[in-house]
Amino acid sequence: ETGVTQSPTHLIKTRGQQVTLRCSSQSGHNTVSWYQQALGQGPQFIFQYYREEENGRGNFPPRFSGLQFPNYSSELNVNALELDDSALYLCAITGMNTEAFFGQGTRLTVV
Amino acid sequence: GNSVTQMEGPVTLSEEAFLTINCTYTATGYPSLFWYVQYPGEGLQLLLKATKADDKGSNKGFEATYRKETTSFHLEKGSVQVSDSAVYFCALRRGYGNDMRFGAGTRLTVKP
Repeated sequence: ETGVTQSPTHLIKTRGQQVTLRCSSQSGHNTVSWYQQALGQGPQFIFQYYREEENGRGNFPPRFSGLQFPNYSSELNVNALELDDSALYLCAITGMNTEAFFGQGTRLTVV
Repeated sequence: GNSVTQMEGPVTLSEEAFLTINCTYTATGYPSLFWYVQYPGEGLQLLLKATKADDKGSNKGFEATYRKETTSFHLEKGSVQVSDSAVYFCALRRGYGNDMRFGAGTRLTVKP
């Protein structure tokens, strides 16, 4: 399996602030997705990037934005943080059979 | 729309007991189906997958069969171990351009 690395692992932010989360993979996959997992729930799809373009988005407001770079690493940016944004944020790359390989996640706490 | 429903937990079993976690899905077309496992404080690990009807995915003693007629993908293991304690997620995906949809997760605790 391809290793997916996310940073940081934990983060505490204040309501109204902005945050950037990062993701990279060992082998460089051209499709990367981001998910939000609230406590006790399944992951919810935020958006997906393919060759540096967003090509799918879930039910999240525009203050959730992303980037994918030529080396296929990716960022998730969240502006104007709200308390409900507290969650585990997961980055995933897509395998040959459409399976998703996840990183260990970034635990974001908004206070 | 496309969605997954899995049995609510928590599930508590004794070591060596038989495990079944039910999962049913609603989808257009022919999705691929997956089971993921999440250990405390970690991300999701792919446990097994099936990409077409009647396929059986298996890994580490876990099995699940893609049943199109009942739109189900139930997870089974014949003899659970304490180390199997985790949260299990059923998921589907309709293709590369589509997102992955997850169930709410089922927490399994195995006692010695």
